Amino acid sequence: DSGVTQTPKHLITATGQRVTLRCSPRSGDLSVYWYQQSLDQGLQFLIQYYNGEERAKGNILERFSAQQFPDLHSELNLSSLELGDSALYFCASSGTSGAATDTQYFGPGTRLTVL
Amino acid sequence: AQSVTQLGSHVSVSEGALVLLRCNYSSSVPPYLFWYVQYPNQGLQLLLKYTSAATLVKGINGFEAEFKKSETSFHLTKPSAHMSDAAEYFCAVRGGSTLGRLYFGRGTQLTVWP
Repeated sequence: DSGVTQTPKHLITATGQRVTLRCSPRSGDLSVYWYQQSLDQGLQFLIQYYNGEERAKGNILERFSAQQFPDLHSELNLSSLELGDSALYFCASSGTSGAATDTQYFGPGTRLTVL
Repeated sequence: AQSVTQLGSHVSVSEGALVLLRCNYSSSVPPYLFWYVQYPNQGLQLLLKYTSAATLVKGINGFEAEFKKSETSFHLTKPSAHMSDAAEYFCAVRGGSTLGRLYFGRGTQLTVWP
């Protein structure tokens, strides 16, 4: 158990809908990272938050957004869903804003299926 | 920019045999390299990481990896495979101005035969 929790574990929805994925980082960790794992693209970095502020952006679509709250949990919002958004979404946390030697601890993921 | 290439999307070994999973990296700055393992229906777990302190890195579950700058490689090895090692393994790199983000390879699925 990494100490990172993600809810829900599975999510099935229809095209055009909006969903929210939730992540709670390990106790004391200030950074939260979101990654998408799909068969087509592999594991891709989406976005990073540090202590409530956006720190880095990767291949995140404009239909997707995220935020980190004062209690440090984070939410990833996916809207106008398409079939191609079906994937496993991972959250990871770490203690710093981006030290290269920092370890990222991954949650169990949320499997999103768009029908 | 950083990137990682994992040679071989599937590797099969017999129980007790040597495990060798290949990873080559590309980085314009000194890299920091990681190996993660993903068991079915689980998240990624860190096996080991290279942070320039030592070129031979020992990790959990008997795995180790050697950083070879001249070959831009960071291959993962284990002397004797166990059935419980069957999983998907990911090599990742980070460094430079990309802050904390990790660049992952496409993964190698390890099968261990009895």
